[in-house]
Amino acid sequence: EDKVVQSPLSLVVHEGDTVTLNCSYEVTNFRSLLWYKQEKKAPTFLFMLTSSGIEKKSGRLSSILDKKELFSILNITATQTGDSAVYLCAVETPSGNTPLVFGKGTRLSVIA
Amino acid sequence: GAVVSQHPSWVICKSGTSVKIECRSLDFQATTMFWYRQFPKQSLMLMATSNEGSKATYEQGVEKDKFLINHASLTLSTLTVTSAHPEDSSFYICSAEKRGGETQYFGPGTRLLVL
Repeated sequence: EDKVVQSPLSLVVHEGDTVTLNCSYEVTNFRSLLWYKQEKKAPTFLFMLTSSGIEKKSGRLSSILDKKELFSILNITATQTGDSAVYLCAVETPSGNTPLVFGKGTRLSVIA
Repeated sequence: GAVVSQHPSWVICKSGTSVKIECRSLDFQATTMFWYRQFPKQSLMLMATSNEGSKATYEQGVEKDKFLINHASLTLSTLTVTSAHPEDSSFYICSAEKRGGETQYFGPGTRLLVL
């Protein structure tokens, strides 16, 4: 059974802190790993990762994939209160009964 | 826990036909279900929010007669794409929320290809 596990489930940090969110996966066939930020209802796309070891960056956010160890991390540096959200990790599979497998998300709260 | 399934996973249909996609919460009661559409490398676009036993609330720009949503029970919501056209080809994802909860649990998605 394909699965994606995110950790921690919830995290509270102070502004300025750096956080690392984890996503591990077990899928039969891997196409890509996606990170989303969900503040209200609709998740916003952050990154798509397909290759191991290549860091993707967008401002204070960065992410990297390890296809050997089957995990990805999402780093947020110098956190701000606007970073408070649920961060979702999903793995796209090219075939099978589950085209996209979502993790349960990490709820990040950044306090001033 | 909190597993959401979708059926079918993949569907290919001819233009002009209607396609029904089911979203089920397998181990919890979902008072609210959400339907999204996703394009590659893009954010999920919220199409509509459905509450059990009431009419769905559609987002601006989404045709309610085109995308029929029925939330018949606390564990099932359906999205019917009526008279599908090639531009409706997309990845449709549902999510479900427990009563009083803030967390959405996402289904695995349904890939629709309209020829």
